[in-house]
Amino acid sequence: SQTIHQWPATLVQPVGSPLSLECTVEGTSNPNLYWYRQAAGRGLQLLFYSVGIGQISSEVPQNLSASRPQDRQFILSSKKLLLSDSGFYLCAWGEKRDYGYTFGSGTRLTVV
Amino acid sequence: AQSVTQLDSHVSVSEGTPVLLRCNYSSSYSPSLFWYVQHPNKGLQLLLKYTSAATLVKGINGFEAEFKKSETSFHLTKPSAHMSDAAEYFCVVRLTGGGNKLTFGTGTQLKVEL
Repeated sequence: SQTIHQWPATLVQPVGSPLSLECTVEGTSNPNLYWYRQAAGRGLQLLFYSVGIGQISSEVPQNLSASRPQDRQFILSSKKLLLSDSGFYLCAWGEKRDYGYTFGSGTRLTVV
Repeated sequence: AQSVTQLDSHVSVSEGTPVLLRCNYSSSYSPSLFWYVQHPNKGLQLLLKYTSAATLVKGINGFEAEFKKSETSFHLTKPSAHMSDAAEYFCVVRLTGGGNKLTFGTGTQLKVEL
């Protein structure tokens, strides 16, 4: 069966520090991969999605970047965090022919 | 462009009473619609999805939703609320174009009281 792993669960980082959040999927191949952010009191915002290795689409211009170095690995990064980067970050995967997603358990990022 | 509107930001029910969470959609095409649930500090779990098959969709944990094209609605219901249903619920529509992207409503916080 397919599983998705996302870590760390919580993270407290100072302003200006770098960020790396990792997401891996098991039990499937060539999935679509997604990064969402959920800010306090707001809905989910799609940040990036990827339909294949090295293929990244950015939905919102911002301080973040994403990479997909392997088929089932999706990484969210920042060189210098801002206070406004705080939020709950969710990774998700979906099959090419199915329209639903499976979400990871999320990372709570607090920038101080 | 496709979008969803969740009509209530908060809903409060008593345990054992029916649940109704309202969602209207906007789409030029026959939409694919979903309901997801999120418990505090957790990821999102798919409750059910509509992809142009039966208009009444049954999901997990006793939830169901009915697609009504004439009303552009996809309301989520459950006959009898349980304390464990307390969570945030998101109505979601699939966007046309590549990537199978989903766009989420702003969420409805469901509170279940004794």
